[in-house]
Amino acid sequence: SAVISQKPSRDICQRGTSLTIQCQVDSQVTMMFWYRQQPGQSLTLIATANQGSEATYESGFVIDKFPISRPNLTFSTLTVSNMSPEDSSIYLCSVAVRANYGYTFGSGTRLTVV
Amino acid sequence: GENVEQHPSTLSVQEGDSAVIKCTYSDSASNYFPWYKQELGKRPQLIIDIRSNVGEKKDQRIAVTLNKTAKHFSLHITETQPEDSAVYFCAASRRGGAGGTSYGKLTFGQGTILTVHP
Repeated sequence: SAVISQKPSRDICQRGTSLTIQCQVDSQVTMMFWYRQQPGQSLTLIATANQGSEATYESGFVIDKFPISRPNLTFSTLTVSNMSPEDSSIYLCSVAVRANYGYTFGSGTRLTVV
Repeated sequence: GENVEQHPSTLSVQEGDSAVIKCTYSDSASNYFPWYKQELGKRPQLIIDIRSNVGEKKDQRIAVTLNKTAKHFSLHITETQPEDSAVYFCAASRRGGAGGTSYGKLTFGQGTILTVHP
């Protein structure tokens, strides 16, 4: 299965600022996904990032708030913009590995906004 | 869109007992159903998955069953051990394209907190 390096692992940020989270995969993957997991909750998909095209956002998530880049088949970034305390969550990237049909997750970024 | 309901939200068992977690899904086109285990502070880890052309799959103490007609699937853990204690998530996805090469998004259930008492 693919190995995903996600960073930063955690950060404490001031409200109104932005944080960019990076995910690097050790193999080329077609689709990358960004999830949010609020404390004690399930995973909610923010958007799907495809190389060479704009990300597809889920209901309730907008590009101005969560801009995504996908410059190649092994890398993606998610930016959390103009942060408020409500953005405090764990953010995870995930990839679909063609060979075994499985989805693998990065180690997550624990974001606290103060 | 897809909606996945998971029950129970918490489950407490004695070591050695069996545990069953159930999920229902709404989109009849969903055809891939993974189960994830998430320990505190860690990423979700895939423990077993099943595709819609199979009714049951087993891997040692873990098994998953799928009823496409009723649109529900279940996780069965036998001979539970304290290290099985974690949050378990079911999910559903629509896999498409030639040879199943297109991967749809995963929709997760709400999660089940499993506690296995020694």
